[in-house]
Amino acid sequence: AQKITQTQPGMFVQEKEAVTLDCTYDTSDPSYGLFWYKQPSSGEMIFLIYQGSYDQQNATEGRYSLNFQKARKSANLVISASQLGDSAMYFCAMREGLYDYKLSFGAGTTVTVRA
Amino acid sequence: DTAVSQTPKYLVTQMGNDKSIKCEQNLGHDTMYWYKQDSKKFLKIMFSYNNKELIINETVPNRFSPKSPDKAHLNLHINSLELGDSAVYFCASSPEGQGYGYTFGSGTRLTVV
Repeated sequence: AQKITQTQPGMFVQEKEAVTLDCTYDTSDPSYGLFWYKQPSSGEMIFLIYQGSYDQQNATEGRYSLNFQKARKSANLVISASQLGDSAMYFCAMREGLYDYKLSFGAGTTVTVRA
Repeated sequence: DTAVSQTPKYLVTQMGNDKSIKCEQNLGHDTMYWYKQDSKKFLKIMFSYNNKELIINETVPNRFSPKSPDKAHLNLHINSLELGDSAVYFCASSPEGQGYGYTFGSGTRLTVV
């Protein structure tokens, strides 16, 4: 079964606007971590933000924030004030359990920022 | 100084050849990984080593063999390369603890012709 689901294959957003990337996850483990990565056209994987399952507050890192809805098992990424450099593929990922090292990735969402 | 460096960046080779990809991290992390990204950009874990011990070995053909001479290095050797092995291979590392993102290398684009 797919552990991470990203249903938006591609999105367009106007420069300076906000965009929300959807991510839902599936786990029965009470302890887990959720991650978002950015992959620009150059190919590298850039870590953006982390949310732990026991964290009370939504994670924020600069223009990135994670809308964590535990009961719905969703961890949407919000990018505020989009910039042209935000055009990239974005991956949601999950690490289950305290001692499981594996990071399971979703299929990714391509974001294109328009000037 | 590159945190996770992998070489080569590009590798073009013929079917049936044997090739290796090398990875080194200078972050002091205990755990290293190999991930494969296919043509549809899907990322899947292949192997993981923690302090030189193999801890994850996903369903991967045994033509793929990882080797970790020390905790800063993790190499991937591929025997008898096939067309379907063409992909981008990423090395990554992570520290102990749940709340830390993995640091990825820049990837090796392997093309088998």
